[in-house]
Amino acid sequence: RKEVEQDPGPFNVPEGATVAFNCTYSNSASQSFFWYRQDCRKEPKLLMSVYSSGNEDGRFTAQLNRASQYISLLIRDSKLSDSATYLCVVKWENRDDKIIFGKGTRLHILP
Amino acid sequence: DAMVIQNPRYQVTQFGKPVTLSCSQTLNHNVMYWYQQKSSQAPKLLFHYYDKDFNNEADTPDNFQSRRPNTSFCFLDIRSPGLGDAAMYLCATSLRDSPTREQYFGPGTRLTVT
Repeated sequence: RKEVEQDPGPFNVPEGATVAFNCTYSNSASQSFFWYRQDCRKEPKLLMSVYSSGNEDGRFTAQLNRASQYISLLIRDSKLSDSATYLCVVKWENRDDKIIFGKGTRLHILP
Repeated sequence: DAMVIQNPRYQVTQFGKPVTLSCSQTLNHNVMYWYQQKSSQAPKLLFHYYDKDFNNEADTPDNFQSRRPNTSFCFLDIRSPGLGDAAMYLCATSLRDSPTREQYFGPGTRLTVT
């Protein structure tokens, strides 16, 4: 099993729709989780951290399920500007500062 | 503004000709990372520094070396670039004991090998 797995997509979603991605991780000792957004030929930028109780930032909701070892990202009322690759990132506290990226999920918002 | 800066943004080098990429940060973060990212792939961690402690990933080729002369600067040296080393190289920083533990990325250096 890969350390961090994501569905590569692409997800083609009409503007205004709701879309959700999942990311699974293999190491139960993982303690920090993040979603990053990466636009074509640009650097990854932090979208949101993922907290155990789940967290929301505007149209974005992130959730963590430790029992099943996955995190999710929900985007409501999707905008054209949401088109990007969304990278799941997991930090392993038992491997000092080890950070593992998923391969990313490509999202295309269609007008 | 505090940030992570990478120079140059675009680098062209010849096959086998050594090249150095630089990264600087004004965030005063104690951890600095170098990633290699090829098209449609995840960033791949090459190595990282926690202060002056160097941590090399097991599968990072010997062709890749790094230096961190002080907190603010970190360099990636590619001793003999091959065609397969053409990629985007990303520098990132983080604060080890930060409660948020997030990484901040520089804009990257796109390396072309001819």
